[in-house]
Amino acid sequence: AQSVAQPEDQVNVAEGNPLTVKCTYSVSGNPYLFWYVQYPNRGLQFLLKYITGDNLVKGSYGFEAEFNKSQTSFHLKKPSALVSDSALYFCAVRALNSGNTPLVFGKGTRLSVIA
Amino acid sequence: DGGITQSPKYLFRKEGQNVTLSCEQNLNHDAMYWYRQDPGQGLRLIYYSQIVNDFQKGDIAEGYSVSREKKESFPLTVTSAQKNPTAFYLCARTPLPGPGDYGYTFGSGTRLTVV
Repeated sequence: AQSVAQPEDQVNVAEGNPLTVKCTYSVSGNPYLFWYVQYPNRGLQFLLKYITGDNLVKGSYGFEAEFNKSQTSFHLKKPSALVSDSALYFCAVRALNSGNTPLVFGKGTRLSVIA
Repeated sequence: DGGITQSPKYLFRKEGQNVTLSCEQNLNHDAMYWYRQDPGQGLRLIYYSQIVNDFQKGDIAEGYSVSREKKESFPLTVTSAQKNPTAFYLCARTPLPGPGDYGYTFGSGTRLTVV
């Protein structure tokens, strides 16, 4: 069975500081990993994905994520946070080559960037 | 709208009523999904469909029904059997998986409230 854990319900960071939003996963075989962002009363927007290749994945709005197979983690990072980054962030996973089986989402982490 | 439209944006239901949420996509994608979002619980899968006239139950299908008579449409009916229907409902679409796809594209959601 596939699962995703986002251990922090809330992350607070000062504007200009680096941010990290944590995600660990469990899947049979190789993972297909995603990060999405959600603003209030909106759908989720794609940020970045990992399939294969470089462990450091770069995405939209200056975000990046580091895939660590040994720790089964896919943490989201940004070198310098902006107030506009404040939102709800979701990590998602499914097994690679599993067809169109649904993504499994974490419970989300609310990021608050303070000016 | 990213090629996927949900309507209405807000919906109010009286106790004992069935209501239907609309989800339409115009990109000829095969797979469509319905998720329910509650605070602190992330996204939970209700139903999904990979081809016309076929759909599968997700983790919380009880009290919901769907149809997939056309490729572009995947409506969700919240029946009177769903005892706690107040939530934010998200529809998503995706093409067949491959290295070029970006996972799901989500609609902007429907907020359902029981009055």
